[in-house]
Amino acid sequence: AQKITQTQPGMFVQEKEAVTLDCTYDTSDPSYGLFWYKQPSSGEMIFLIYQGSYDQQNATEGRYSLNFQKARKSANLVISASQLGDSAMYFCAMREANTGNQFYFGTGTSLTVIP
Amino acid sequence: GAGVSQTPSNKVTEKGKYVELRCDPISGHTALYWYRQSLGQGPEFLIYFQGTGAADDSGLPNDRFFAVRPEGSVSTLKIQRTERGDSAVYLCASSLRHRDPSTDTQYFGPGTRLTVL
Repeated sequence: AQKITQTQPGMFVQEKEAVTLDCTYDTSDPSYGLFWYKQPSSGEMIFLIYQGSYDQQNATEGRYSLNFQKARKSANLVISASQLGDSAMYFCAMREANTGNQFYFGTGTSLTVIP
Repeated sequence: GAGVSQTPSNKVTEKGKYVELRCDPISGHTALYWYRQSLGQGPEFLIYFQGTGAADDSGLPNDRFFAVRPEGSVSTLKIQRTERGDSAVYLCASSLRHRDPSTDTQYFGPGTRLTVL
């Protein structure tokens, strides 16, 4: 089974609007971390936000927030007030505490912000 | 401070040749990771170093792939007898390696785009 599933290959959003990028995960480890990365066309993976499995509150970092629904095993990224520079690929990743040597990545969502 | 750097940024080689890809992690990061990213896919784990030793090489696809980190800082990924299927972007990441790895954020370099003709 896929550890991370991102079902939206491509998304479009109007500039200044909010957008939600979906991510579901699969793990039996009670302790895990969920991460979102942005990959612009330059190729570098840029860390955006982290959510721990035991965190009670949803993580927020500036315009990024993570809608963490543990029972549904989802960790959707919300970008508020979209900017043209937000156009990029977005990857959801998970790391498990007991097998924590690697990140499991999804296939990514390509976000295009329309002026 | 300086981020993770990788050289070269692009490498074109012929089938059957040997290549070396270099990664210079963030200063002070003890953990180093190599990933491979094929077109349209997310990165796939290759190998993880803690200090000088390869703590987990379960992602290396076959024995043509090898990586070293002799002094616990710079790492080199080595690919022998390259094949066209090895063409991909090779990403390196480093982290501080917290006690709980699930909290351990990895910081990535810009990658090396390898093309095997």
